[in-house]
Amino acid sequence: EVQLVESGGGLVQPGGSLRLSCAASGFTFSSYWMSWVRQAPGKGLEWVANIKQDGSEKYYVDSVKGRFTISRDNAKNSLYLQMNSLRAEDTAVYYCARVLYEFDYWGQGTLVTVSS
Amino acid sequence: EIVMTQSPATLSVSPGERATLSCRASQSVSSNLAWYQQKPGQAPRLLIYGASTRATGIPARFSGSGSGTEFTLTISSLQSEDFAVYYCQQYNNWPPVTFGQGTRLEIK
Repeated sequence: EVQLVESGGGLVQPGGSLRLSCAASGFTFSSYWMSWVRQAPGKGLEWVANIKQDGSEKYYVDSVKGRFTISRDNAKNSLYLQMNSLRAEDTAVYYCARVLYEFDYWGQGTLVTVSS
Repeated sequence: EIVMTQSPATLSVSPGERATLSCRASQSVSSNLAWYQQKPGQAPRLLIYGASTRATGIPARFSGSGSGTEFTLTISSLQSEDFAVYYCQQYNNWPPVTFGQGTRLEIK
């Protein structure tokens, strides 16, 4: 059974940093692109970043470029999102998702709240 | 960036009736379109990919159609568990991956 479990969310002040993790199991993690997708409270879905199987390609939505970094450790079956210079508008539930072309499996999400 | 527009924003339908949800792309995405269902407090669930292929375990009452810029998700006979928010998403031309703003399907 495919499982994706996010962790690392919490309350952080504007300008602060946070690192999200996603533990994957039930599939060959190193064979798939992976992604982060977020959802602000009461809002729709917003794609944040994608990373290739070997980490050699990474793509970001414009609003997080230069502030967020997606990475992965295939030996640990783990995906990460390092978030720096956080803003109030980054407040959201962050989901990790497995990528075929569509997002076929999603984690349960972790809430990030940016507030003073 | 390809903009995805869903209509209507809210759809009120009675159980047992048919629901038709629309999604329009600002430029052609071929058949590279997916539909997701999201219930309150839950992660999205993949329903349809390739515009018309049901994902594993998705009931046959869900069907997708369309190509290019116009797409439809049809739920043939609404069950109580189908009332949720539905999103379309294009993956033809990325980055960025883009989603529609969602259609809320509510009980009439």
